[in-house]
Amino acid sequence: GQNIDQPTEMTATEGAIVQINCTYQTSGFNGLFWYQQHAGEAPTFLSYNVLDGLEEKGRFSSFLSRSKGYSYLLLKELQMKDSASYLCAVSPSTDSWGKLQFGAGTQVVVTP
Amino acid sequence: SQTIHQWPATLVQPVGSPLSLECTVEGTSNPNLYWYRQAAGRGLQLLFYSVGIGQISSEVPQNLSASRPQDRQFILSSKKLLLSDSGFYLCAWSLTGWASPLHFGNGTRLTVT
Repeated sequence: GQNIDQPTEMTATEGAIVQINCTYQTSGFNGLFWYQQHAGEAPTFLSYNVLDGLEEKGRFSSFLSRSKGYSYLLLKELQMKDSASYLCAVSPSTDSWGKLQFGAGTQVVVTP
Repeated sequence: SQTIHQWPATLVQPVGSPLSLECTVEGTSNPNLYWYRQAAGRGLQLLFYSVGIGQISSEVPQNLSASRPQDRQFILSSKKLLLSDSGFYLCAWSLTGWASPLHFGNGTRLTVT
């Protein structure tokens, strides 16, 4: 079956670094996406990984290991506005990249 | 640039009533279109997707249906709502190319009473 696991909640201090892990077991794999979702709002796209390795985008970085079925999202220099749910999603289908399997999300709480 | 519009933002409907949610995309042609649902405290679940006018694929058996009457218009419907249909409904689009991410509309929060 399809399984995407990520921690339920993480707390970190403003200015610190937080790493959100995601493990997946899916029937296929095209790529892995990370989304940010503030409470009551729609998810917004952060990054994607197709090949193994690290992708860096400003304060956010995402890593993928396809052989291990593992990814992480690294948030650096945390700001209060980074308090949100972070969704890991896998594209397992060959007919459409947008048919994503989502994890339940990791709620990140940034404290002063 | 591309934009996606989804309405209404919130909706309260009694059990057994019909439903129609609409979504339109601007600034791109022939996008892939999707309807996702997010139940409280749970991950997003794909309901329907469409790769072209009149082409709808259903991912989850339910009492909902979808239609794509125009290239950039996607509609989610139900003839009779159930309590379990409550949730946050999100329309999304993507390009048809490789590794194209999903872009979501602002969502409709549906409460069935």
